[in-house]
Amino acid sequence: DTAVSQTPKYLVTQMGNDKSIKCEQNLGHDTMYWYKQDSKKFLKIMFSYNNKELIINETVPNRFSPKSPDKAHLNLHINSLELGDSAVYFCASSQGLQGPGNTIYFGEGSWLTVV
Amino acid sequence: AQKVTQAQTEISVVEKEDVTLDCVYETRDTTYYLFWYKQPPSGELVFLIRRNSFDEQNEISGRYSWNFQKSTSSFNFTITASQVVDSAVYFCALSGSLLMDSNYQLIWGAGTKLIIKP
Repeated sequence: DTAVSQTPKYLVTQMGNDKSIKCEQNLGHDTMYWYKQDSKKFLKIMFSYNNKELIINETVPNRFSPKSPDKAHLNLHINSLELGDSAVYFCASSQGLQGPGNTIYFGEGSWLTVV
Repeated sequence: AQKVTQAQTEISVVEKEDVTLDCVYETRDTTYYLFWYKQPPSGELVFLIRRNSFDEQNEISGRYSWNFQKSTSSFNFTITASQVVDSAVYFCALSGSLLMDSNYQLIWGAGTKLIIKP
């Protein structure tokens, strides 16, 4: 069983569209995250939720909206997609808040290409 | 400020060679954690190891070993008898305990791309 699973794995869409990426973790973790990895492999945190509460909200355009219906799920909705949104988006989870000693486990990534 | 430097952008070796990936970090914290993650060509990010700042013992796991040296602020990763399946991008990361410095975030290195040629 995949610990952190996200769908879809690949997504090609046109500029201006709205899309969602879903994420689920079966590790029983309290905290979930969305990370973005750009073409240079640089990883940057976007959001984190702890028990459905938003903890970290980095400087991300308002077009990105996370939603956590329960602590096992954290979905990412993106409105009005732009070319610059093309990246790999990773969902992740950890037992506690992101912090000293808490290991973050990642999903397999969702490759988003905006054309 | 906290920082992780992986100076080696890309390393290419022939299978069965040993290879060491360097990781140098900066932090004001006295308590912190260091991590290594692997990202194979298939793209997923795989956790390899976590080490806390009070444990300077080296770690060995099969062909993988990690050398943590606080004196040089380094946490290097060695693969012995490398195999083609070890080809991946490897990331080193740091997690500190000073809220003001990091908001408890993981600080990532830029990654080292390791190519193992058959």
